[in-house]
Amino acid sequence: RKEVEQDPGPFNVPEGATVAFNCTYSNSASQSFFWYRQDCRKEPKLLMSVYSSGNEDGRFTAQLNRASQYISLLIRDSKLSDSATYLCVVTSNFGNEKLTFGTGTRLTIIP
Amino acid sequence: DAGVTQSPTHLIKTRGQQVTLRCSPKSGHDTVSWYQQALGQGPQFIFQYYEEEERQRGNFPDRFSGHQFPNYSSELNVNALLLGDSALYLCASSMNRAGDEKLFFGSGTQLSVL
Repeated sequence: RKEVEQDPGPFNVPEGATVAFNCTYSNSASQSFFWYRQDCRKEPKLLMSVYSSGNEDGRFTAQLNRASQYISLLIRDSKLSDSATYLCVVTSNFGNEKLTFGTGTRLTIIP
Repeated sequence: DAGVTQSPTHLIKTRGQQVTLRCSPKSGHDTVSWYQQALGQGPQFIFQYYEEEERQRGNFPDRFSGHQFPNYSSELNVNALLLGDSALYLCASSMNRAGDEKLFFGSGTQLSVL
């Protein structure tokens, strides 16, 4: 079983729609959780951290469910510029220890 | 302020050859991590360097080795290249300071092994 599992997609969503991704992780000792965004073979960039209380950044909302060991990302009012691969990331420490990435979910927003 | 810089951007090698990739961390950062990203996969952790020593290592064979220099820059060396080593190699830097561990990635080196 992979440490971090994501549905690879692709998700093809019309502009303005709401889309949600889920991710599951296997290591119950995992401490820190993130969503990264990666555009077409460029470097991954941190989109947002994920907290148990849930957190929101504009149109993006992230949730963590420790009991079920899954993480979610919700994108509201999707824009063409949201087209990218979204990577679920987990670490076993609070610091800058190794990041464990999922395979990523590919999202395409359709005009 | 320059971010993380990697060189070269692209590289073509043949099986059995050796390759060296280079990374300069973001100004003020002292920790460098290397990741391998095969096509269609997420990045996989290779190893991390801090204070010129390998601090953590992922599940990669000894053909993968590295070095960190006193100025915090780093090299990744891969010996006896295999076709399966073709990937995007990403360098990430950070500060080894509690509460300030955000990783910054370079744009990567695309390695093709023929």
